[in-house]
Amino acid sequence: GAGVSQSPSNKVTEKGKDVELRCDPISGHTALYWYRQSLGQGLEFLIYFQGNSAPDKSGLPSDRFSAERTGGSVSTLTIQRTQQEDSAVYLCASSPHVGYGYTFGSGTRLTVV
Amino acid sequence: GIQVEQSPPDLILQEGANSTLRCNFSDSVNNLQWFHQNPWGQLINLFYIPSGTKQNGRLSATTVATERYSLLYISSSQTTDSGVYFCAPDYGNNRLAFGKGNQVVVIP
Repeated sequence: GAGVSQSPSNKVTEKGKDVELRCDPISGHTALYWYRQSLGQGLEFLIYFQGNSAPDKSGLPSDRFSAERTGGSVSTLTIQRTQQEDSAVYLCASSPHVGYGYTFGSGTRLTVV
Repeated sequence: GIQVEQSPPDLILQEGANSTLRCNFSDSVNNLQWFHQNPWGQLINLFYIPSGTKQNGRLSATTVATERYSLLYISSSQTTDSGVYFCAPDYGNNRLAFGKGNQVVVIP
């Protein structure tokens, strides 16, 4: 597509439920990144993919967080048993290759109540 | 630890004024990017600038990697320049380390 597309744009979920966030990168971009932005923590790295492979998962906050990418394209970030501290804007970005300039999507605002 | 310091943290400009935003980083970098986050939250990539100087319209950026700083220049500011400017170096681990940002408000 022309830009990075994220869905849903907003998600309100009850504490303890699982959520899935989707990112559709720019066509042909091999690198895909997940960050989250919250008032207290600023912008923090979660995970990146080179193709379908995630070489560095150390940014994921806990084992409740997981991500996958299939076909070198769409990625899904899954948060299990959501907690209130998971409330944030989850941002996805892609770049032609790792180490190149990013294009960010509009984000998914997650609110855990 | 790895640090990114941006200054000034807050800036109010009269429309038409020029300004310089500074980013100091704590280690050698593979690349460095500047972003503008508009009031609606969208992050726009302004520059990919691991070293040297680039210009794009009224904006330009300079990174002096050996001295570990980068500058973003805004000339003839417009109200649409309002928002938060982030400096984000990559220290070679394929992740960007974001600073706290420069909050810029341009008043007409």
